[in-house]
Amino acid sequence: QAVLSQPPSASGTPGQRVTISCSGTTSNVGSNTLNWIQFAPGTAPRLLIYGYDQRPSGVPDRFSASKSGTSASLAISGLQSEDEADYYCATWDDSLNTWVFGGGTKVTV
Amino acid sequence: QVHLQESGPGLVKSSQTLSLTCTVSGASVTSSGHYCSWIRYRPGKGLEWIGYIYYSGTTYYNPSLESRVSISLDTSKNQFSLELTAPTAADTAVYHCARVRRDSTSWQYFENWGQGTPVTVSS
Repeated sequence: QAVLSQPPSASGTPGQRVTISCSGTTSNVGSNTLNWIQFAPGTAPRLLIYGYDQRPSGVPDRFSASKSGTSASLAISGLQSEDEADYYCATWDDSLNTWVFGGGTKVTV
Repeated sequence: QVHLQESGPGLVKSSQTLSLTCTVSGASVTSSGHYCSWIRYRPGKGLEWIGYIYYSGTTYYNPSLESRVSISLDTSKNQFSLELTAPTAADTAVYHCARVRRDSTSWQYFENWGQGTPVTVSS
């Protein structure tokens, strides 16, 4: 059972917008910034978003994130076939003293 | 371009120590403001942070694994390693190494990842 809650799946057609939620508590999502990480087949996991809504160099601006209280979300706009992957949220938990992850959301295009 | 590559035995007996190495290229394991981390993915359990070592050598471990885990740096080879003692079948997983950056705002993020290496623990 993952500490952070994510829907197991999401889907859309090319060009559409897909949103993935990540729900936690005041000791994790409510207190710290999130990482959103993409796990695509055959490649190393890739950081998509960190901080409030920062993208590392090379990550397209089709990926964006937001947070309110103990809930956060990742949005993928202009969905492309290459976006088919598993997406995870992660943050530090002040009570558990460890990084915690969501259960992952499989995005199908 | 930073590249991380995990290496180590794919099959470990429960009487042995699970030992993995991460070789880093394109960056130094002692880069200021960076941690070298291990994370694992267990089927049915998901992702689990194991721990990390700061560039200064200070270590931080997941409390649930702390009694069995050790992470160390080998600066001469630009590598870092994981040792997990008394492994059981529950430690069967894909193990990833990663670099975590702590920037000037104190945000931490998993900046670079290795592709992961599967490890099976057998009795």
